[in-house]
Amino acid sequence: DQQVKQNSPSLSVQEGRISILNCDYTNSMFDYFLWYKKYPAEGPTFLISISSIKDKNEDGRFTVFLNKSAKHLSLHIVPSQPGDSAVYFCAASFGNEKLTFGTGTRLTIIP
Amino acid sequence: GAGVSQSPRYKVAKRGQDVALRCDPISGHVSLFWYQQALGQGPEFLTYFQNEAQLDKSGLPSDRFFAERPEGSVSTLKIQRTQQEDSAVYLCASSLAGAKNIQYFGAGTRLSVL
Repeated sequence: DQQVKQNSPSLSVQEGRISILNCDYTNSMFDYFLWYKKYPAEGPTFLISISSIKDKNEDGRFTVFLNKSAKHLSLHIVPSQPGDSAVYFCAASFGNEKLTFGTGTRLTIIP
Repeated sequence: GAGVSQSPRYKVAKRGQDVALRCDPISGHVSLFWYQQALGQGPEFLTYFQNEAQLDKSGLPSDRFFAERPEGSVSTLKIQRTQQEDSAVYLCASSLAGAKNIQYFGAGTRLSVL
């Protein structure tokens, strides 16, 4: 039972354009959501998070949107840069601290 | 300050061998987590410590898996009688106490069981 889903295994975006990565969840108890970025042979690196009491959080080029009624969140990166090429994981938690991850989306920025 | 450190980075084990994976969390981080990441999948929760107390071990796949954090700092994940299906990357993360704190991950240990 996959409680956090990232339905796009890969995404290619032109440099300078907007990258939109999507994530759906099924457990309505989740109250905190995070995006992590992962380069090969490295551990996941925290990118941005959002609490369920908000619908948007912005940090520089990165914005996360949360739609609780649709159980959907998205990560917007604008403008996209070559260094953004990585695997992006959506994660969720509630109550205790363990994270439930999606399967990841591989983002490729085309120069 | 150093990040989360894991050793070894790579481990090759013969089926049936016992292995021990080490995690050094960020200094002062009360919470420590172990995750297992199979190829092409996201990390999956194994177990969680707050200081030396193991508060959640619901993700451990079998009784061959055992984790400890005896002094509330360094943690060891032990896998007994390894099987091929144990092949994965084992990730350790640490965070400050309390929910909604960012988890910082180590680079992981890639375990290959032959």
